[in-house]
Amino acid sequence: AQRVTQPEKLLSVFKGAPVELKCNYSYSGSPELFWYVQYSRQRLQLLLRHISRESIKGFTADLNKGETSFHLKKPFAQEEDSAMYYCALNQGAQKLVFGQGTRLTINP
Amino acid sequence: SAVISQKPSRDICQRGTSLTIQCQVDSQVTMMFWYRQQPGQSLTLIATANQGSEATYESGFVIDKFPISRPNLTFSTLTVSNMSPEDSSIYLCSARGGGGTGELFFGEGSRLTVL
Repeated sequence: AQRVTQPEKLLSVFKGAPVELKCNYSYSGSPELFWYVQYSRQRLQLLLRHISRESIKGFTADLNKGETSFHLKKPFAQEEDSAMYYCALNQGAQKLVFGQGTRLTINP
Repeated sequence: SAVISQKPSRDICQRGTSLTIQCQVDSQVTMMFWYRQQPGQSLTLIATANQGSEATYESGFVIDKFPISRPNLTFSTLTVSNMSPEDSSIYLCSARGGGGTGELFFGEGSRLTVL
């Protein structure tokens, strides 16, 4: 079964500290993975996708097929990074299956 | 990009009634989807709204409970029928952007509370 697991519902770090939000997936084919973010009182929006291999707002995510992971990382957290983060897998036909989400809080 | 408007943004409904949520996209999109987010849970795909034909439902969701329409490339509706308190959720409309990016855009959601 196609599944996305985010083991941490809550993550709290101090400003300036490194951040890593974990995401593991289960998929039999070649996965297409995304990170979506929802800031307070805003709609869900795409943060980054593994295909583009880009850095957005200082965040990067590398697909590790051996470990079936797609962890989101940022070397120095900022207060404006506080948000809900969802890892998502394209299960085909552009239908996404989402992880449970991780609420990231950056403490000043 | 695509901007998605949903209405109502929230509503309080009585058990046994039905409510229709409207979703309007500001540009033509190839694919539209409806998701549900129950309290404290992640997003679950309800169905793919197909233009001019019946929606494609995911396992656990049926047309009688969640009838969907998509008369054109920019508009869709989701009806939650014969509501019970278990239907209290945020319902999200989403659309796939064009231009080959494949990005999924989301509406702000419709928060339904069923008493």
